[in-house]
Amino acid sequence: SQTIHQWPATLVQPVGSPLSLECTVEGTSNPNLYWYRQAAGRGLQLLFYSVGIGQISSEVPQNLSASRPQDRQFILSSKKLLLSDSGFYLCAWNRGSGNQPQHFGDGTRLSIL
Amino acid sequence: QKEVEQDPGPLSVPEGAIVSLNCTYSNSAFQYFMWYRQYSRKGPELLMYTYSSGNKEDGRFTAQVDKSSKYISLFIRDSQPSDSATYLCAMILPQGTSGSRLTFGEGTQLTVNP
Repeated sequence: SQTIHQWPATLVQPVGSPLSLECTVEGTSNPNLYWYRQAAGRGLQLLFYSVGIGQISSEVPQNLSASRPQDRQFILSSKKLLLSDSGFYLCAWNRGSGNQPQHFGDGTRLSIL
Repeated sequence: QKEVEQDPGPLSVPEGAIVSLNCTYSNSAFQYFMWYRQYSRKGPELLMYTYSSGNKEDGRFTAQVDKSSKYISLFIRDSQPSDSATYLCAMILPQGTSGSRLTFGEGTQLTVNP
């Protein structure tokens, strides 16, 4: 069966520091990968998605970037964090064509001080 | 106007009650519909996935889609305290290329009291 892992589970960072969040998927090959942010009491906002190694699409302009160095690895980064980057970051995957549901990891809760 | 509207609640019911959760949407091109359950500090977990009008049942859960009214529902029978969570509806526009764009409702917070 397929599993998705995200780490760390929680992170507290000072303003201006760099960020690296990692997501890996096991049990499947060539998944589509997604990064979302979920603000408290709000829905999920798609940040980035990737349909293959090195292929990244950005949904909203922001202080963050994403990379996919390996087939089942997706990384969310920032060079300098802002207070507004606080939130709950979720990684998700699905297979194949554009009509399949996505499956989520357990997220990283990021607090910026 | 948001593409997907979902009452955020909170909704509080006694154990054993039938729960009805609903979403409306404005874009008639949505064709695939999902319900996710999200426990506190966890990622959303897929509960139901359907692509046609009508009902789909899985244990105590029934998903209902009415495309003519642009309205979807999730019914929970014999609700349990373990059903206490936030429930998110989501829907997909058919895409010509790989990858899928989910549009989510904001989620309804449900508490089932023992």
